[in-house]
Amino acid sequence: AAGVIQSPRHLIKEKRETATLKCYPIPRHDTVYWYQQGPGQDPQFLISFYEKMQSDKGSIPDRFSAQQFSDYHSELNMSSLELGDSALYFCASSLLVASTDTQYFGPGTRLTVL
Amino acid sequence: GNSVTQMEGPVTLSEEAFLTINCTYTATGYPSLFWYVQYPGEGLQLLLKATKADDKGSNKGFEATYRKETTSFHLEKGSVQVSDSAVYFCALRGEAAGNKLTFGGGTRVLVKP
Repeated sequence: AAGVIQSPRHLIKEKRETATLKCYPIPRHDTVYWYQQGPGQDPQFLISFYEKMQSDKGSIPDRFSAQQFSDYHSELNMSSLELGDSALYFCASSLLVASTDTQYFGPGTRLTVL
Repeated sequence: GNSVTQMEGPVTLSEEAFLTINCTYTATGYPSLFWYVQYPGEGLQLLLKATKADDKGSNKGFEATYRKETTSFHLEKGSVQVSDSAVYFCALRGEAAGNKLTFGGGTRVLVKP
């Protein structure tokens, strides 16, 4: 079965640079979520989109922005990168029907900021 | 707000031992509960879920029962294998569909042969 695809899998950036992370949800899924997992920590919710509209917002820095496109893929844009942004970034997708609203996660993008 | 508390690890077991990972939650209404597993260097995989009180989720020999009276969703497996070594996350999704997941801190399990 098709899974959530994230690219790139690994990314190394310098401080103050920008980064763009991409997420391709499971086909026919209409909702995308972004989470950040710091070293040894649990994933923290950043932001979500339903049908291309932002549906919820968590602890996402103002330096970050995201959107969902007409083909339902999503991109997380990160600017003015800081050392503390080094983390594993997960995208998850779901089909927003209550009985089957389970989030399936991608493999993650490991971002290292030097 | 919603919160999830799970036992701290690491939990070290011998192969074929019984595994229990405690998970309790705080939430309003009727949340859905999940266990995700993260193998070394990999992403989060859904292990099992329960969407209403007294539901039992099960998969790959793991089980967890949604206990509303004790606000718990403890994970159990009767006989662990070395391949079960991973970090296990208990998670909660608020009552409304499309809500974010709130995770517990994760429990690292190490199974020795």
